Amino acid sequence: DTAVSQTPKYLVTQMGNDKSIKCEQNLGHDTMYWYKQDSKKFLKIMFSYNNKELIINETVPNRFSPKSPDKAHLNLHINSLELGDSAVYFCASSLFRDTEAFFGQGTRLTVV
Amino acid sequence: GIQVEQSPPDLILQEGANSTLRCNFSDSVNNLQWFHQNPWGQLINLFYIPSGTKQNGRLSATTVATERYSLLYISSSQTTDSGVYFCAVKAAGNKLTFGGGTRVLVKP
Repeated sequence: DTAVSQTPKYLVTQMGNDKSIKCEQNLGHDTMYWYKQDSKKFLKIMFSYNNKELIINETVPNRFSPKSPDKAHLNLHINSLELGDSAVYFCASSLFRDTEAFFGQGTRLTVV
Repeated sequence: GIQVEQSPPDLILQEGANSTLRCNFSDSVNNLQWFHQNPWGQLINLFYIPSGTKQNGRLSATTVATERYSLLYISSSQTTDSGVYFCAVKAAGNKLTFGGGTRVLVKP
């Protein structure tokens, strides 16, 4: 069983479209995250939710909107996609704030 | 915010060689993790090691929290060890901050 799973794994879309990435964890964790990995492999946090409440919101354009319907799911919706949004997006989860985090397999988003 | 620096940025090894990767961080941390990103892009947990020493097969890690660094040792390297190794830390708050990574290539 996959602990943290993301869908889709690959996403190719045109500029200006709206798209969503879904994430689910079956580890019983209460904290979930979205990270962005750029073309130079640098990983940076975008958002973090704890028990469905937003607790970290980095300086991300408001075209990005996370939604957590319950503590096992954290989705990322992106409006009006731009070329610069092309990256790999990782979902992660942890039990409480300072414990080990586990990552999904990533979603490679390509905007053309 | 906390700064995380990894060295060396790139490492080329002959199969069977040993190596040490270093992670320096600028503030006290509650959490430190080492990850391996394989050539398929998966982030694999290697160690959760806010302090002390741990070993897992050919890999081991040591974190000296008071001196703000961690080391990852790879012994008898294999081609499957190729990829990018990341150190990530959490200071106060909930943000896991990543270093820039060490790109490792193990040649047969």
